[in-house]
Amino acid sequence: AQSVTQLGSHVSVSEGALVLLRCNYSSSVPPYLFWYVQYPNQGLQLLLKYTTGATLVKGINGFEAEFKKSETSFHLTKPSAHMSDAAEYFCAVSDDQTGFQKLVFGTGTRLLVSP
Amino acid sequence: GAGVSQTPSNKVTEKGKYVELRCDPISGHTALYWYRQSLGQGPEFLIYFQGTGAADDSGLPNDRFFAVRPEGSVSTLKIQRTERGDSAVYLCASSPSGLVANEQFFGPGTRLTVL
Repeated sequence: AQSVTQLGSHVSVSEGALVLLRCNYSSSVPPYLFWYVQYPNQGLQLLLKYTTGATLVKGINGFEAEFKKSETSFHLTKPSAHMSDAAEYFCAVSDDQTGFQKLVFGTGTRLLVSP
Repeated sequence: GAGVSQTPSNKVTEKGKYVELRCDPISGHTALYWYRQSLGQGPEFLIYFQGTGAADDSGLPNDRFFAVRPEGSVSTLKIQRTERGDSAVYLCASSPSGLVANEQFFGPGTRLTVL
């Protein structure tokens, strides 16, 4: 069975600092990997995804993530945090064995950005 | 264009009652998903529709939960004999198709509280 582990339920950074949110996955087949962001009282929004091809994936709002098969990781980074980045971030994994996109989510990491 | 909408946004009910939660997907999206997000957890898959049929209902926790999508558009999640443990945010998502590479667009959710 697939699973996702997000290290750190809360991450605090200062505005302008590097953002690093960690995600490790478990999958017996080549995974598809996703990062979603959830702002208060809003739905989940896709930040970026890895399906095949280039392992460094760029997403919206300046975020990027790198798929590292040897480390079973898909960490999310942003060079310089903005106050507007404060939200909850979810890593998710899927594969094509079920024939559709059945997402398995991690427990989430809340990003706090201080001035 | 309009995104995924869910009604009601909040629902408070008493233990043992029956509730219905509605999801209006993005027009033209054939794939529809329901997830449940408990406090402090990531969303958990409940059921997937492709058109009118439930292609995968393996995430439904027990037979008190049922979902329909009679015309391939609006979907209703039905919970019978609600229990306090059913309290959670119920999320709906839609996608142009069920393909793994497609993005799922999430609604804002319905917060269900069972007293």
